[in-house]
Amino acid sequence: GAVVSQHPSWVICKSGTSVKIECRSLDFQATTMFWYRQFPKQSLMLMATSNEGSKATYEQGVEKDKFLINHASLTLSTLTVTSAHPEDSSFYICSARPSEASYEQYFGPGTRLTVT
Amino acid sequence: QKEVEQNSGPLSVPEGAIASLNCTYSDRGSQSFFWYRQYSGKSPELIMSIYSNGDKEDGRFTAQLNKASQYVSLLIRDSQPSDSATYLCAVKTSYDKVIFGPGTSLSVIP
Repeated sequence: GAVVSQHPSWVICKSGTSVKIECRSLDFQATTMFWYRQFPKQSLMLMATSNEGSKATYEQGVEKDKFLINHASLTLSTLTVTSAHPEDSSFYICSARPSEASYEQYFGPGTRLTVT
Repeated sequence: QKEVEQNSGPLSVPEGAIASLNCTYSDRGSQSFFWYRQYSGKSPELIMSIYSNGDKEDGRFTAQLNKASQYVSLLIRDSQPSDSATYLCAVKTSYDKVIFGPGTSLSVIP
């Protein structure tokens, strides 16, 4: 149980274009999902907390107009990187909490974004 | 002071030995603690959760929690080369946020 999927697993896009990443909880409903970014050899950086039916909460320093998050259902959250630039190239990982009572998070496999 | 601290490593242990990974946290009101394993190029996976002081064992893994010392550790017995990964400590703080440590890189030498 507690399986989270992400799509796509990797994507290459040109500078200035937008990319959408999907995160799905496959066998549970997730009121809360999280989006992280990780640069090579560095630790996880929380970008935002996504709550179903409400606006996402962004961490300090993360541009909400650049990283659009939509949590339209209890099993799907999307992250759209708008007007991507090479410095946005990174490993983007989502996670979900199967239970609001527990703070265990289950991670998706990640999406590797390369902006050329 | 960072909220969750771990030695970055790398920690090298011979195959079959016990690997000891340590984590300290600053929020004394923290109640829930987690260990994740992350292989290179992959996403983290949950290994163990611990909520009460003392030890919690799961197979070759033992998590130890000491809230008075604000310290949580993970012991890996009979370490295998497949245990080579980065281990992330995560703490659920009193303000309902889970904070991840920077991770400790473990290398098990055959």
